[in-house]
Amino acid sequence: DIQMTQSPPSLSASVGDRVTITCQASQDISDSLNWYQQRPGKAPKLLIYDASNLESGVSSRFSGGGSGTHFTLTINTLQPEDFATYYCQHYADLPSLAFGGGTKVEMK
Amino acid sequence: EAQLVDSGGELIQPGGSLRLSCAASGFTFSSYSMNWVRQAPGKGLEWIAYISSASRDKYYADSVKGRFTISRDNAKNLLWLQMSSLREEDTAVYYCARGVVMNYWGLGTLVTVSS
Repeated sequence: DIQMTQSPPSLSASVGDRVTITCQASQDISDSLNWYQQRPGKAPKLLIYDASNLESGVSSRFSGGGSGTHFTLTINTLQPEDFATYYCQHYADLPSLAFGGGTKVEMK
Repeated sequence: EAQLVDSGGELIQPGGSLRLSCAASGFTFSSYSMNWVRQAPGKGLEWIAYISSASRDKYYADSVKGRFTISRDNAKNLLWLQMSSLREEDTAVYYCARGVVMNYWGLGTLVTVSS
């Protein structure tokens, strides 16, 4: 099974900062990679699909990049509502659809 | 607007069985694969089960294989997760989610396995 490794597990940032989270796949997954945001007590929300496509209704502060095994999620001009936990997820290898371990973005 | 409403979670003893339900509306349910994803308290997301649109393919995470069964009824727009031989480590919020690009999620239902 393909494993997804996110880094860092957590980070501290301030409103207005630019934040980058990385996700490494254990083997080539092309662009079969999604990013989700989860606020405490809430269901996850899709932000980016197919590595770099912004989901409808999601702020353009969010952008995704990468392909193959290395991927990034960048949040430009961090806003108060962006403090949350972010997860990557691949879908390249049914019968497995693994999530990364998550990155918690906390206020500095 | 697409909507998923998951239900059925409760407190149950180890070794017991439980069936979770997910009611879909606002989209053509029969056109989409579906998943169950869980989140243990304070932990990350764990995908546990997938079913294709016509139920031909069903896949499970190793952690639940042989104990959990995913199923659906496209005529009733319903998805289920039958859980048996429950363990304390199955305690989690369980979400249903649409597709391999999971753009719709239920609100989650809490399963607590404890004596």
